[in-house]
Parts: sequence; structure tokens; C-alpha cells
Amino acid sequence: GDSVTQMEGPVTLSEEAFLTINCTYTATGYPSLFWYVQYPGEGLQLLLKATKADDKGSNKGFEATYRKETTSFHLEKGSVQVSDSAVYFCALSLDTGRRALTFGSGTRLQVQP
Amino acid sequence: NAGVTQTPKFRILKIGQSMTLQCTQDMNHNYMYWYRQDPGMGLKLIYYSVGAGITDKGEVPNGYNVSRSTTEDFPLRLELAAPSQTSVYFCASSYRGEGNEKLFFGSGTQLSVL
Repeated sequence: GDSVTQMEGPVTLSEEAFLTINCTYTATGYPSLFWYVQYPGEGLQLLLKATKADDKGSNKGFEATYRKETTSFHLEKGSVQVSDSAVYFCALSLDTGRRALTFGSGTRLQVQP
Repeated sequence: NAGVTQTPKFRILKIGQSMTLQCTQDMNHNYMYWYRQDPGMGLKLIYYSVGAGITDKGEVPNGYNVSRSTTEDFPLRLELAAPSQTSVYFCASSYRGEGNEKLFFGSGTQLSVL
């Protein structure tokens, strides 16, 4: 079945460091790919998305490129801030009737001042 | 701007007890979902609904029931709680026109069954 694999956390970085969170997927068909973020005490919210191969999603300084050849959608940010501390979820969706998402296990990011 | 509201935030149940997790959204979304998240695991879909009066099973429906009598509300019922149902539960909603990429989530219910 469809699945998403993320790197285990926590990832601990100093402020202004470069961030990469790896995400790979397995899917039948051509999924759309997403990154969701969960800040402490809140629900998940959409961070960025890409709907086809070679698309780049970006938001709030974060970027991810849909790589069909490596079935990957790695999240990157050039300079993290303390306020980026959160749990990041990679997810995929196939265009089926229920329109539900398949999530990875989440990666906790801790940014130290 | 309430969005998706879940209650309660925390609950401890004894084995065999029953409870209902409440979920309501004020965005007039037609799609609603219940997910559970076990420690170190991704979110798993329990049930979903594409509109009032229509519900269907997700990946892990056993031990749960849902109803969707209104567009706003999508309660999740646990009839005979078991330790395997200890988890964090998330309710979410989306609008048909947005496709499936922008789900709005509640802040979750942490449930422990002892």
C-alpha cells in the first residue's frame, strides 16, 4: 500500500543552521505531496505542497521539491529560527473519492538559541 | 475564527468504558476525517465523511463508530475501550473545491485507556 517514511527525530539545531528533513514515499500512481507542521498545543496545518514531478513547494522560507526519480520530497530551510520548533509531517494523497492523506510518522525539530 | 474544535483535550478511560470524542467545524466544510496517532507512528485514518449522512471506514475502523447528522459535527464513539485505543485523536475537515491538499485540523484529544 501507499506509505511515507520520514527521518526519525528529534532534530536539534542551533538558530540560523541549515535544515533538511528527509521524506520518501511509496505509492501506486502519481500522488500529490505535502508537508504539514504542528506547533506545540495546536493542530496540524499545511506548510507547503507539490502536485507533480519537479514542482517546488515553498512557504515561510521552507522548500521541498517533488523528485519522482528518487520518490522523495525533502524539506529544507536555509536558516532556522527558534519559532520553527515544531513537529513536521510529510504526507501524500492520491486522487481518490475520500480525499484522505497518508502521513509519515513526523519529525520533531528543536531549534536552540 | 474557531476552525475545527475538538473536545475533550485529555481523557482517561477504564477498560470497557465508552465515550464520545466531539468534533465540530464552522467553515461549512463537506469533508471530515478522524485520525489517530500512536507514539512514533504516522496518523492513521479511522473514519471519514464526504457530507452529512455519509460516512465510510478508513484504515483502522475497528472499535469505533461515527455519525454525521449535520455538516458541522462529526463525533467519534468508542463503545468498549481497550488499551490498544490509547492514542492521540485528530479531527480534520476540508472543502471539496480545495481538493485534498488543505486539511484543517483540531488540536487533538489525548486518550489513555487503563
